[in-house]
Amino acid sequence: QKEVEQDPGPLSVPEGAIVSLNCTYSNSAFQYFMWYRQYSRKGPELLMYTYSSGNKEDGRFTAQVDKSSKYISLFIRDSQPSDSATYLCAMRSSGSARQLTFGSGTQLTVLP
Amino acid sequence: NAGVTQTPKFQVLKTGQSMTLQCAQDMNHNSMYWYRQDPGMGLRLIYYSASEGTTDKGEVPNGYNVSRLNKREFSLRLESAAPSQTSVYFCASSPRQENTGELFFGEGSRLTVL
Repeated sequence: QKEVEQDPGPLSVPEGAIVSLNCTYSNSAFQYFMWYRQYSRKGPELLMYTYSSGNKEDGRFTAQVDKSSKYISLFIRDSQPSDSATYLCAMRSSGSARQLTFGSGTQLTVLP
Repeated sequence: NAGVTQTPKFQVLKTGQSMTLQCAQDMNHNSMYWYRQDPGMGLRLIYYSASEGTTDKGEVPNGYNVSRLNKREFSLRLESAAPSQTSVYFCASSPRQENTGELFFGEGSRLTVL
């Protein structure tokens, strides 16, 4: 079983829809949670960064962490065709030697 | 403002050949990383360098070597390429010595080993 599970999709939604992207994980030591966005044939770019449980909002994006359920979500409001990309979750535990564990990514297409 | 630059962007090798992937960052970052990305596998860490002069193995180091040439440059070498090393390779850097998760990635190098 992978430490981080992410539905690969693909997920297609109409423009303006609310998108929910999710990851589940098994390691209860994870405390830092990230979402990266990766456009086709490009490198990932950091979108959201959260620590421990709770919500964080940045414009149309909201990251949510539920540590009790070992479940994280990224919500995209008023989705745009420019949001079409692969979204990768990533997480790590505390400690300087700890490295990131990435999900395999969910491919999202927002249709105009 | 180039960020993280990787060369080459594409490469085809035959089994047993060697090659070096180059990476340079112009953000004065301390730590640098090499990842590989395969379908359904997510990004996996090959090697990293927390600071100039240090390198450490990641999750999948076998078949690879690295050199942190200076603060800007971090190269990845395949000594004897194998088909299993066909992948997209990403170099990344981070402002801090530890991997907090704030990574800046290059655009990737697509390697095919025949």
